[in-house]
Amino acid sequence: SQKIEQNSEALNIQEGKTATLTCNYTNYSPAYLQWYRQDPGRGPVFLLLIRENEKEKRKERLKVTFDTTLKQSLFHITASQPADSATYLCAHRYSSASKIIFGSGTRLSIRP
Amino acid sequence: NAGVTQTPKFQVLKTGQSMTLQCAQDMNHNSMYWYRQDPGMGLRLIYYSASEGTTDKGEVPNGYNVSRLNKREFSLRLESAAPSQTSVYFCASSEGTRTDHETQYFGPGTRLLVL
Repeated sequence: SQKIEQNSEALNIQEGKTATLTCNYTNYSPAYLQWYRQDPGRGPVFLLLIRENEKEKRKERLKVTFDTTLKQSLFHITASQPADSATYLCAHRYSSASKIIFGSGTRLSIRP
Repeated sequence: NAGVTQTPKFQVLKTGQSMTLQCAQDMNHNSMYWYRQDPGMGLRLIYYSASEGTTDKGEVPNGYNVSRLNKREFSLRLESAAPSQTSVYFCASSEGTRTDHETQYFGPGTRLLVL
């Protein structure tokens, strides 16, 4: 069955460093992967989408990579700031006929 | 432009009571979704509607019903609430008529406690 996994342990990073979050999938190759940010008490907010034929996508300080060999997507925040502290969710669609499935998220804390 | 709105923000029910969660979007989106979010489980799809007049089951539909009242509104009903339905419920919408369209826009959530 389709499965998407994120590191459930919180990630603590010093301000200014690059934060790297991991999203792994098994048993298939998704057509695309999305990354969302969720702040406490709020709904998720879309950040980036990367398709299976793209290796990298950037938006300001954010970068997403997609490695179909490793079955993994990496989400990077460069020059991290305390305001980047949140839970980050990855989501995917297996095929045009399937629904979007979300990972359980990784909580990121950026300390000053 | 309010985006996706949900009511109520918070609700406490007793086991066996019924209630309807309301969701509305003002972005003229075709697809709408209901998710529940539990600690360590991520977002799980309950029901979705790819267009006005159509609804389909998601991953965890048991105990819920939905109504796509019009293009703007998508409600979720719990006929007989159970403690296992204690969760945070999110409504979302996306532009396309297919549920695989890329970006989903989420509401602020409804926190439901069933005693």
